Formats: sequence, C-alpha cells, structure tokens
Amino acid sequence: DIQMTQSPSSLSASVGDRVTITCRASQSISGNLNWYQQKPGKAPQLVIYDVSSLHSGVPSRFSGSGSGTGFTLTIRTLQPEDFATYYCQQSYNSPWTFGQGTRVEVK
Amino acid sequence: QLQLQESGPGPVKSSETLSLTCIVSGSSLNVGNYYWGWIRQTPGKGLEWIGTIYYTGSTNYNPSLKRRVSISLDPSKNQFSLRLSSVTATDTAVYYCASLGVATITIDNWGPGTLVTVSS
Repeated sequence: DIQMTQSPSSLSASVGDRVTITCRASQSISGNLNWYQQKPGKAPQLVIYDVSSLHSGVPSRFSGSGSGTGFTLTIRTLQPEDFATYYCQQSYNSPWTFGQGTRVEVK
Repeated sequence: QLQLQESGPGPVKSSETLSLTCIVSGSSLNVGNYYWGWIRQTPGKGLEWIGTIYYTGSTNYNPSLKRRVSISLDPSKNQFSLRLSSVTATDTAVYYCASLGVATITIDNWGPGTLVTVSS
C-alpha cells in the first residue's frame, strides 16, 4: 500500500493567515493526489483533485501543487469557515489511501 | 444533485455481520461515470477505503478487508450495500457511502455517515 504522510498534524492560525499543509507519498503517485476538508461531525468534502484542480464551488483561495511524492495545499487568506481538518488521498494505486489529517485550529 | 444516505440496523455484536445500505438519489446507479463505494473513519486509523462497485457489478476491495467484505448493487431500488463479516471492536467506525469519479478516483459525493458500534 502507498503510505501518505501529512505535516504538520495540527497548526494554529489566525484569520487572514496563509496556511500550507504538506503531504508526502511513500512512492511516486504522479499527479493523482486529492485534498478533502472535514468539519466536526460532517463527512469530508472534496477541495482539490489531481493536485491542483479546484472542485466545483471551492473558493480560489485554495490551491494545490506538487508532483511525484511531495504535495502541498495552500490556503492563501484563511477565512473563519476554513478551520477544519484536511486530508490528502492518493488515487494512483488501489487501495486508495489517505493521510492522517492536518487540523487547522484558531490561534 | 447527487445525494447519498446510509442506513443500517444499529449496533452489531462481535463475530456477527455488519450490513449497511446506501440510498442514492439524483443519479441512477446504472451510469458509467461513477464508482459506488464505502469508506470508514476511526480515531485510531483515520480514513480507510473499504471498497467500490461499478454499475457492471465489478468490485474492488481493500486487501486488508477483502476476506470479510462484500459490496452489492440493487438497481431496482437505486441503492448499494455493504456487508462486513466476523466483526470485532476494531470495526467500530463511522461508515460513509460515497460516489467516486471514474476518471480521477476522487470522492465527489459523500453520505453524512453512520456510526456503527461493535459490542461484545
């Protein structure tokens, strides 16, 4: 199985901050990397697919980059509704696997 | 708009079979642009993909669960189901049904999730 490792596990930030989350794969996954946002008590929701494509309805302050084994999710100007947990997921090889999550908390 | 909703009988006893159904609205199961799947979430292991089924009936299961899992379609009711046999406490989780885009294997739509507790 491809192991996905996110860093940091959690971070504290303020509204207006720029936030960057990193995801590393245990082997190359080409451009098959997706990001999800999860709020407490809710199902995850797709944010970015194929490294950098914004899912429908997702604000443009979210962006993704990377290739091979290293990827980043950036939130350009953090908004109150962005405090949540973010997960990366590889769709290169079955079984599809997820990172352990990065919790973005209020500073 | 595609919507999914999990349903199930509630708590399950250890060694028994967990059964869940996902009711799909806003799309027919008989379309080729989605896989239909199950994902679970625990505090310890995080998000874990269980398996998927295509409208043809073709399945793909996580090898870690393959011996115990079965996913099936019921197109007449526009729903699909999960069965997980010989459950233990480690199968206690929030179970989500979902649709996955065939082209990108992205989980485009999720059900709200249902907590299944395995008790002894």
